[in-house]
Amino acid sequence: GENVEQHPSTLSVQEGDSAVIKCTYSDSASNYFPWYKQELGKRPQLIIDIRSNVGEKKDQRIAVTLNKTAKHFSLHITETQPEDSAVYFCAASLNSGYALNFGKGTSLLVTP
Amino acid sequence: DVKVTQSSRYLVKRTGEKVFLECVQDMDHENMFWYRQDPGLGLRLIYFSYDVKMKEKGDIPEGYSVSREKKERFSLILESASTNQTSMYLCASSRLATGQNEQFFGPGTRLTVL
Repeated sequence: GENVEQHPSTLSVQEGDSAVIKCTYSDSASNYFPWYKQELGKRPQLIIDIRSNVGEKKDQRIAVTLNKTAKHFSLHITETQPEDSAVYFCAASLNSGYALNFGKGTSLLVTP
Repeated sequence: DVKVTQSSRYLVKRTGEKVFLECVQDMDHENMFWYRQDPGLGLRLIYFSYDVKMKEKGDIPEGYSVSREKKERFSLILESASTNQTSMYLCASSRLATGQNEQFFGPGTRLTVL
């Protein structure tokens, strides 16, 4: 089955800096790659997703890039703010209607 | 607003007990999922369902079963709870159609098995 690896497991940045989280996947048939954010004590929520026919997608301060040849995708957060502190999960799926395979998560801390 | 609710936020059970975790969604979603979340291990899929009475095993189905008798309700059953099933359990739901596949999560049930 699909195996998703996520790095780093923890990341600490200063407010205003950029943060990058990277994921690799094993199944070349995967074509849907969402990112979820989970704040402390809360449920995970989708923040951005990308499908395999797109190489990059942006939404304000967050962006996701996808390299299908190398089977990796990344989350980029620019101008980080303390409220960006959370655990971020990447995931991969054969189709956007199917079950997701999640990475183990990255705990991001943004210090003022 | 999509609402996914779970029957309990906190649950304490004894080893060997049968445990039922209930999940209800109010958005007529076809897909429903059960995950467990453990520190350092992320979200691991236990079971999922694409339709009423349908179920598919996820990555860690051992020791669990599920039931989906109605579209809005998906139950996770621990036939004989063990201490290694102490965890946070998250339910989620989503549409089946391509392009509308955000998974909406419930608040979670923190289960402790003594």
